[in-house]
Amino acid sequence: DAMVIQNPRYQVTQFGKPVTLSCSQTLNHNVMYWYQQKSSQAPKLLFHYYDKDFNNEADTPDNFQSRRPNTSFCFLDIRSPGLGDAAMYLCATSRDGLAGTHEQFFGPGTRLTVL
Amino acid sequence: GDSVTQMEGPVTLSEEAFLTINCTYTATGYPSLFWYVQYPGEGLQLLLKATKADDKGSNKGFEATYRKETTSFHLEKGSVQVSDSAVYFCALRTIQGAQKLVFGQGTRLTINP
Repeated sequence: DAMVIQNPRYQVTQFGKPVTLSCSQTLNHNVMYWYQQKSSQAPKLLFHYYDKDFNNEADTPDNFQSRRPNTSFCFLDIRSPGLGDAAMYLCATSRDGLAGTHEQFFGPGTRLTVL
Repeated sequence: GDSVTQMEGPVTLSEEAFLTINCTYTATGYPSLFWYVQYPGEGLQLLLKATKADDKGSNKGFEATYRKETTSFHLEKGSVQVSDSAVYFCALRTIQGAQKLVFGQGTRLTINP
């Protein structure tokens, strides 16, 4: 089945230790998104890639970076995690453009714990 | 800017009860509207959508109608089940500038047997 895969599902890191979260998709969608979701809150968009073009949200801290080496993969890098970065991180994809449906398909998320 | 407002939760119902979760929006033009569901420990799943006024989205017994007069997209189900317990998010897709989802705050639904 075509899907959005996130690895790992659970990640524990230490305060200040860089961490990378991974997302892959078999949907061949041209847009990939990273959201941060804290407990009992709505997902908050951090940034997205439209094809190879990176689009950062204005209020996303510099501590968060992203890479998209090819259509299928996208990474979220947290350079120096703080306690406030503990959250669920959701990856999503969509097909945009003239033939697009604009629906976003979400992965299962990676729950990040910062010790 | 565009925004979505959902009824506050948590909502607790008995099995087979009728469900309504209210959702209203503020947006420029006529955005696409969505309901997503999130089960514990999982990502969001698209439940249903509507892309233009008077469209009715439906899935798994849930329905929502795009009402431009009242800028609403209320979620309804005639008879809920314990397995419907989850958090429900109403969202719109902006049509100006960068097209992205704007979520409501979510409504936690618990169904008791």
